[in-house]
Amino acid sequence: NAGVTQTPKFQVLKTGQSMTLQCAQDMNHNSMYWYRQDPGMGLRLIYYSASEGTTDKGEVPNGYNVSRLNKREFSLRLESAAPSQTSVYFCASSEVTTQTEAFFGQGTRLTVV
Amino acid sequence: RKEVEQDPGPFNVPEGATVAFNCTYSNSASQSFFWYRQDCRKEPKLLMSVYSSGNEDGRFTAQLNRASQYISLLIRDSKLSDSATYLCVVNKRSGGYNKLIFGAGTRLAVHP
Repeated sequence: NAGVTQTPKFQVLKTGQSMTLQCAQDMNHNSMYWYRQDPGMGLRLIYYSASEGTTDKGEVPNGYNVSRLNKREFSLRLESAAPSQTSVYFCASSEVTTQTEAFFGQGTRLTVV
Repeated sequence: RKEVEQDPGPFNVPEGATVAFNCTYSNSASQSFFWYRQDCRKEPKLLMSVYSSGNEDGRFTAQLNRASQYISLLIRDSKLSDSATYLCVVNKRSGGYNKLIFGAGTRLAVHP
């Protein structure tokens, strides 16, 4: 069972470069999320998508764009990477109902130099 | 003020100890609550959901106090393998959709 798959697992970017983090889930979940995790800050919500075709900003959306390509896939794009975006990025998915578990991908460790 | 607040720890306890973690949330519209566990450099995974009546799963007990907007996790008879970061999570209804909001986590280190 694949669950939530994120690619790449590691990436080093130069300041100003762009890249897209890919996420796919095979659990037929409606909701998908992108979080970043920094030491001492916990998981902070960047963007989420409640269903196919909808996206909304989370706590820290600046510098990011997202695309919910279909029900399975939710991508995160950094148009012009900055050192402040060095972090671990997690994609997650869940059903839209309230009592529901979120499943996470293994994370992408991004370093911007 | 953060929506979900936790004591960051670390909590350093010997094997066999009982340890309790607390969490407060600010949004009274929050509808469901969870504890997740995160091992070092790994993704978070669900430990247990938290119900209004309180619930227990083996050595783990979770409690919810809606009036005080407070959630707790009690771990009895700590094992070395319990060493991890414990994340308090709140599911909030916003704009017609549900969002999961995470606390920063409480780190637990169990030593022999």
